[in-house]
Amino acid sequence: QQPVQSPQAVILREGEDAVINCSSSKALYSVHWYRQKHGEAPVFLMILLKGGEQKGHEKISASFNEKKQQSSLYLTASQLSYSGTYFCGTEEWDTPLVFGKGTRLSVIA
Amino acid sequence: ETGVTQTPRHLVMGMTNKKSLKCEQHLGHNAMYWYKQSAKKPLELMFVYNFKEQTENNSVPSRFSPECPNSSHLFLHLHTLQPEDSALYLCASSQDFRNNYGYTFGSGTRLTVV
Repeated sequence: QQPVQSPQAVILREGEDAVINCSSSKALYSVHWYRQKHGEAPVFLMILLKGGEQKGHEKISASFNEKKQQSSLYLTASQLSYSGTYFCGTEEWDTPLVFGKGTRLSVIA
Repeated sequence: ETGVTQTPRHLVMGMTNKKSLKCEQHLGHNAMYWYKQSAKKPLELMFVYNFKEQTENNSVPSRFSPECPNSSHLFLHLHTLQPEDSALYLCASSQDFRNNYGYTFGSGTRLTVV
């Protein structure tokens, strides 16, 4: 079952913050976050496992609410290099990774 | 380079042609995947191989035929494709099927069917 991401697109000025949400109707084993720049491969950012954990990666962090089957990706003090399309991917216990439609993030000077 | 190499980077083929996409990884990963990425659509899982065994075929038409001769190599054989099959085909690998370290993607093969 494909997770639902929101928003579809967001434009930020350098230094602003953003939140990208990912939700599923299924009980999840894990949530992955990836970033893909135009013409490049998706790059793994982080994984959150069931248990409601939170993780950080430079100024990018994420949380996983196991009760709601929701994950949020937090980008703080955005930089131009953060531009790209962010995908969440979800795994149920016995299924491989299924991706959302992505959120296109544009950071402008 | 991500550690997962895909060739060719671009491919144009006619509907009656037969071609193959190649994916290679030397990361020591045991699971490999084919995904299809079309414009304005999410990444669609096509096939999963875990320890060289196919564990998932996500209702993919038979004109796509995967092959995994060993844990480092994955192929996607194409024949009698349709124009709607034009897309970016991404290969990925992970340590194993249920892993906690994420997937490593290749840069993809941009396929155009004419």
